[in-house]
Amino acid sequence: QVELQESGPGLVKPSGTLSLTCAVSGGSISSSNWWSWVRQPPGKGLEWIGEIHQSGSANYNPSLRSRVTLSVDKSKNQLSLKMSSVSAADTAVYYCARVGALRPFDNWGQGTLVTVSS
Amino acid sequence: DIQMTQSPSSLSASVGDRVTITCRASQSISSYLNWYQQKPGKAPKLLIYATSSLQSGVPSRFSGSGSGTDFTLTISSLQPEDFATYYCQQSYSTPFTFGPGTKVDT
Repeated sequence: QVELQESGPGLVKPSGTLSLTCAVSGGSISSSNWWSWVRQPPGKGLEWIGEIHQSGSANYNPSLRSRVTLSVDKSKNQLSLKMSSVSAADTAVYYCARVGALRPFDNWGQGTLVTVSS
Repeated sequence: DIQMTQSPSSLSASVGDRVTITCRASQSISSYLNWYQQKPGKAPKLLIYATSSLQSGVPSRFSGSGSGTDFTLTISSLQPEDFATYYCQQSYSTPFTFGPGTKVDT
């Protein structure tokens, strides 16, 4: 059973860079073609951030593309998310998720809350 | 971007009730529609993918139907553990988008 675990600083200063990792255990990152990041501001809905292929190619939400970089490290079996120039609007729970064959998100990490505040 | 809407935004129901949630896409998404359940403080859980395929381990009281732009999630007999928020999501094209959610409570 593949498990995903997000980690990273819980507090980031405005204009700073948010950096998160998603450790994949119980299976290889190569077991799935695509992996996604999704975020959820407190009390609000879900927003897709982007997806990364195991080869390293990525698709981004146009609304975030200029600030987001996704990467994959097969040697560490982990995914990474970097978001620059953050503001309070980026305060959210950030999830990584495995993307299934027909592109649903079929396995999610528990999520990590990132607060943007000085 | 493909916009997803859901109705109702919330509903009150009792154990044993049949519950229906609808989801509409702003353009045709074929059958690339997924449903998730989320409980407070927890990650979303995939229930239904590709409109009507039940994810492994999900009880058969959950079912999905539809095509094109209009889709439905049905819970045939609501159980205590089903009180949650439900989201639809299109996986037809990026950026993948979610509906605003439907909260099912007592």
